[in-house]
Amino acid sequence: DIQMTQSPSSLSASVGDRVTITCRASQSISSFLNWYQKKPGKAPKLLIYGASNLQSGVPSRFSGSGSGADFSLTISSLQPEDFATYYCQNTYGIPTTFAQGTRLDIK
Amino acid sequence: QVQLQESGPGLVKPSETLSLICTVSSGSISGYYWSWIRQPPGKGLEWIGYIYYDGYTNSNPSLKSRVTISVDTSKNEFSLKLSSVTAADTAVYYCARQSGSYLQLDYWGQGIRVTVS
Repeated sequence: DIQMTQSPSSLSASVGDRVTITCRASQSISSFLNWYQKKPGKAPKLLIYGASNLQSGVPSRFSGSGSGADFSLTISSLQPEDFATYYCQNTYGIPTTFAQGTRLDIK
Repeated sequence: QVQLQESGPGLVKPSETLSLICTVSSGSISGYYWSWIRQPPGKGLEWIGYIYYDGYTNSNPSLKSRVTISVDTSKNEFSLKLSSVTAADTAVYYCARQSGSYLQLDYWGQGIRVTVS
């Protein structure tokens, strides 16, 4: 299985901050990398697909970059509704795997 | 807007089979992959498996021997059976649509909490 590792595992930030979460795959996965936002009691929400494509309806403050094995998710100016857990997902092969997540808290 | 809704028992006894159904509304089940994902308490997301509308399936090797996923296009629903469950299978189970070139999970059900006890 392809192992996915996110860093940091947790992060405290303030409204208006710019934050970046990184995701590393144990091998090259081309651009088969998606990002999700998860809030307690809610289903995950797709933010970015194919490493850098913004899902329809997702605010433009979210952006993704990277290819191969190293990827990042950036939120340009944190809003109150952005405090959540973020997961990257590899869909390069079977099984599709998720990283352990990054919990983003209010400072 | 496609909507998915999981249904099934919230409590399953150890060694029995967990059975869930995902009903798809406001969209056709045809032409897409449909997945099951779970999240144990305090843990991350785990992909269980998917089914294509034509019945082709694939599942996580860690669960493959216990997983059966099927589809009923006439009812616009697909289902999950997980056999020989233990407490480790306690989780919130989600169904989702997998689509696009990157097989992203773009529509999700609200999730159903299943406890094995």
